[in-house]
Amino acid sequence: DTAVSQTPKYLVTQMGNDKSIKCEQNLGHDTMYWYKQDSKKFLKIMFSYNNKELIINETVPNRFSPKSPDKAHLNLHINSLELGDSAVYFCASSPTSANIQYFGAGTRLSVL
Amino acid sequence: AQSVTQLDSQVPVFEEAPVELRCNYSSSVSVYLFWYVQYPNQGLQLLLKYLSGSTLVKGINGFEAEFNKSQTSFHLRKPSVHISDTAEYFCAVSLYNQGGKLIFGQGTELSVKP
Repeated sequence: DTAVSQTPKYLVTQMGNDKSIKCEQNLGHDTMYWYKQDSKKFLKIMFSYNNKELIINETVPNRFSPKSPDKAHLNLHINSLELGDSAVYFCASSPTSANIQYFGAGTRLSVL
Repeated sequence: AQSVTQLDSQVPVFEEAPVELRCNYSSSVSVYLFWYVQYPNQGLQLLLKYLSGSTLVKGINGFEAEFNKSQTSFHLRKPSVHISDTAEYFCAVSLYNQGGKLIFGQGTELSVKP
């Protein structure tokens, strides 16, 4: 069983569209994260939720809105997609906010 | 502000040779330290971590790292690499009481040649 799963694995879309990426973890962890990996492979945190509550929001444009319906899910919705949003987005989870993080396989988003 | 610097963007090495991937960090508060590995087109996998205690930590696949507080370094080593170690390696820090966010270095591409 995959511990942290993201869907879809690949997402190709046009500028201006709205899209969502889903993340689910079956580890029973309290904290979930979204990271963005750019074309130079640099990884930067975007958001973190602890028990469905937002605890980190790293100056991400308002077009990005995370939603956590329960502590096992953290979805990422992106409005009005731009070329610069093209990247690999990783979801992660940890048992507490100071512990080891387990990463999903990533979602490669390409905005044309 | 906290930062992580991986001193080498690419490290080519021959199979069975030793390797060291260098990582330095800057932080005014105590940190946890991690090394993650990313194989092509895959997610990140934890290699090893330093949370407290012994400064020499051993991880998976024969890797180890040493935390040096005075030099603010956390270099990753392996005495003999395999072709299968070819991957991108990321050093990261997590700050105490900062919500657990990881601050990553730029990554080091390890390329093992036969």
